[in-house]
Amino acid sequence: DIVMTQSPDSLAVSVGERATINCKSSQSLLSSSNNKNCLAWYQHKPGQPPKLLISWASTRESGVPDRFSGSGSGTEFTLTISSLQAEDVAVYYCQQCYSTPPRTFGQGTRVEIK
Amino acid sequence: EVQLVESGGGLVQPGGSLRLSCAASGFTLSSYWMSWVRQAPGKGLEWVANVKEDGSDKYYMDSVKGRFTISRDNAKNSLYLQMNSLRAEDTALYYCVTGGSWFKYWGQGTLVTVSS
Repeated sequence: DIVMTQSPDSLAVSVGERATINCKSSQSLLSSSNNKNCLAWYQHKPGQPPKLLISWASTRESGVPDRFSGSGSGTEFTLTISSLQAEDVAVYYCQQCYSTPPRTFGQGTRVEIK
Repeated sequence: EVQLVESGGGLVQPGGSLRLSCAASGFTLSSYWMSWVRQAPGKGLEWVANVKEDGSDKYYMDSVKGRFTISRDNAKNSLYLQMNSLRAEDTALYYCVTGGSWFKYWGQGTLVTVSS
């Protein structure tokens, strides 16, 4: 199974500052068929279902604010919130879709306001 | 508008069974892989199973193989998860989600509690 490891487990950032979440996979997520990394990012707020933010490591979903960006390739990936807003407080998960079964998630990173 | 509405959760004793259902609307179910994802209390997200558009291929996480069965009825716009031999560690909020690779649309979830 591909193991996904996020860091840090939690972080506190001031409003307007940058938040960076890292995600490492135990093997490369780069697909040879399309030269894309099969990795997604989700935002999960309490009492709501998770929301898909980014697919293919860097493709933002429609309606997702452009302060959210994804980068990385191979085994190392990053979700960046360029200017944290109060409504961004949530737990963020990365998830690999390179192999199945299983589709594995990272353990989550909690983002709070400093 | 895409809607996924789960039902069938509840309190069950260890070793018991439950059948979860997911009613889909606002899109053509037969065009999508579908999955179940769960979240145990205080824990992270965990993929459980997925099924191909026509139901011909199904995949499961190791800990539920042989106990859970995912199925679908495209004519009824419904997804199912038959859960047998339930264990305490299966206690979780179970989400019905669209997609087999990543998961774009999510239901609100149905809570399964396995306890004596």
